Amino acid sequence: AQSVTQLDSQVPVFEEAPVELRCNYSSSVSVYLFWYVQYPNQGLQLLLKYLSGSTLVKGINGFEAEFNKSQTSFHLRKPSVHISDTAEYFCAVSEQGGSEKLVFGKGTKLTVNP
Amino acid sequence: DVKVTQSSRYLVKRTGEKVFLECVQDMDHENMFWYRQDPGLGLRLIYFSYDVKMKEKGDIPEGYSVSREKKERFSLILESASTNQTSMYLCASSSRTAVALYEQYFGPGTRLTVT
Repeated sequence: AQSVTQLDSQVPVFEEAPVELRCNYSSSVSVYLFWYVQYPNQGLQLLLKYLSGSTLVKGINGFEAEFNKSQTSFHLRKPSVHISDTAEYFCAVSEQGGSEKLVFGKGTKLTVNP
Repeated sequence: DVKVTQSSRYLVKRTGEKVFLECVQDMDHENMFWYRQDPGLGLRLIYFSYDVKMKEKGDIPEGYSVSREKKERFSLILESASTNQTSMYLCASSSRTAVALYEQYFGPGTRLTVT
């Protein structure tokens, strides 16, 4: 069975600063990896996904993530954040060739301060 | 754009009531999911359906049941609501096409309070 650990439950940062949200996963088989964002009072929206190929994945709103198989990590980064990036971010994993279910981490709340 | 709608944004029910949460998707997706979201616990899968009338238990199915009579609609049923089922409930759907495999689209959520 897979599991996902998001190492920080809350990350405060100032506007225009860089940010990294950390995600580690555990699985005995190859995986697909996802980052979702949840703005206040809304459902989740896909930011980016890694299925195969280049380990650096670019998503919407200037976010990117890098898949590191040896470290079983999929950290999310943005070089310069905006107030509007304030939201909760969820990392998720699914087994390749398995059922199409996602296992989610517990989330990281990003707060961007002026 | 894929649209997943949920019947209510906010719902208040009494302990012991039977509660129905409805979810409809408009993109002919094969898979549909019900999650529960609680602070500090992330999203936990309650039930999953991969076809009409087909369902599979998720991680926390106790106290819940589901119904999928039509492809576009997936209902979550709380047979006898309890206060520990107060939570945010999220519905999602996904396609089986290779390009979009595993990519789930979420509804806005239903915040259920059981008193």
